Amino acid sequence: EAQVTQNPRYLITVTGKKLTVTCSQNMNHEYMSWYRQDPGLGLRQIYYSMNVEVTDKGDVPEGYKVSRKEKRNFPLILESPSPNQTSLYFCASSRGLRGEKLFFGSGTQLSVL
Amino acid sequence: AQTVTQSQPEMSVQEAETVTLSCTYDTSESDYYLFWYKQPPSRQMILVIRQEAYKQQNATENRFSVNFQKAAKSFSLKISDSQLGDAAMYFCAYRSALYSGGGADGLTFGKGTHLIIQP
Repeated sequence: EAQVTQNPRYLITVTGKKLTVTCSQNMNHEYMSWYRQDPGLGLRQIYYSMNVEVTDKGDVPEGYKVSRKEKRNFPLILESPSPNQTSLYFCASSRGLRGEKLFFGSGTQLSVL
Repeated sequence: AQTVTQSQPEMSVQEAETVTLSCTYDTSESDYYLFWYKQPPSRQMILVIRQEAYKQQNATENRFSVNFQKAAKSFSLKISDSQLGDAAMYFCAYRSALYSGGGADGLTFGKGTHLIIQP
C-alpha cells in the first residue's frame, strides 16, 4: 500500500532535549516536505526536499533541521525544542513539484514542556 | 508571495443539504494549481479535489465540485447532499507551477474552515 509513515504519532518532551521525528515513503517520490499545523494558522511549511541531498527552507524553518540521505526518508530534527514548537507536524511527499497530489503522513502531535 | 484566504472559520449545514466553502487567493502568476484538502477528526489529510488553472472547466469528484473563477481569484468548494462523514476541517491550497528555487516551494494553505453537519 502506498503510504507516508510518520513516527511517533504522539510525543511529549522537555525543553532542550533533542528529538527526531521520522518520515518514510514507499512510492519512490522525489519531493518530500514537512509542515506544522497550529490552530487558526493552517499548515505552514518548515522544510522541503526536491531529491536526495537537496533541501530548502520553507516559511518557518527556525529551530528545525532536516536531512535527505536516502530518497525514501526525510527526518525532522529539533536539536533544542522549545514550547513554541508544540504543534501538529505532517510529513508529505509527491512524485514531483508541479501540481502533483501530496500524500500526507498521519501526523505527529508534539508537546514541549 | 501568494496568500490563500478562507473567510469562513466555521460553517454548519443540515444533512442532505448543499454547502459552499469559500476560498480566495492572491497571485501574480498565470499558471498554478488549486486544491481542497479534508481533515477529519482522525487528522489525516485527504485530497478532495484538484484544479489546474489553465483549465476553464470546473473540477468535480462525485458530490464535490468547485467554482473556479480565475479572474476573480476565487475557488469555492460545493458539497452536495451533505453526509455526516463530511464533517471535517477543509483547507484550500495553492501551488505555483513554477519553482524559482532558494525559498518556499510555492505551496500555500489557507487557515481552514470547520464544517459541521447537523443530523
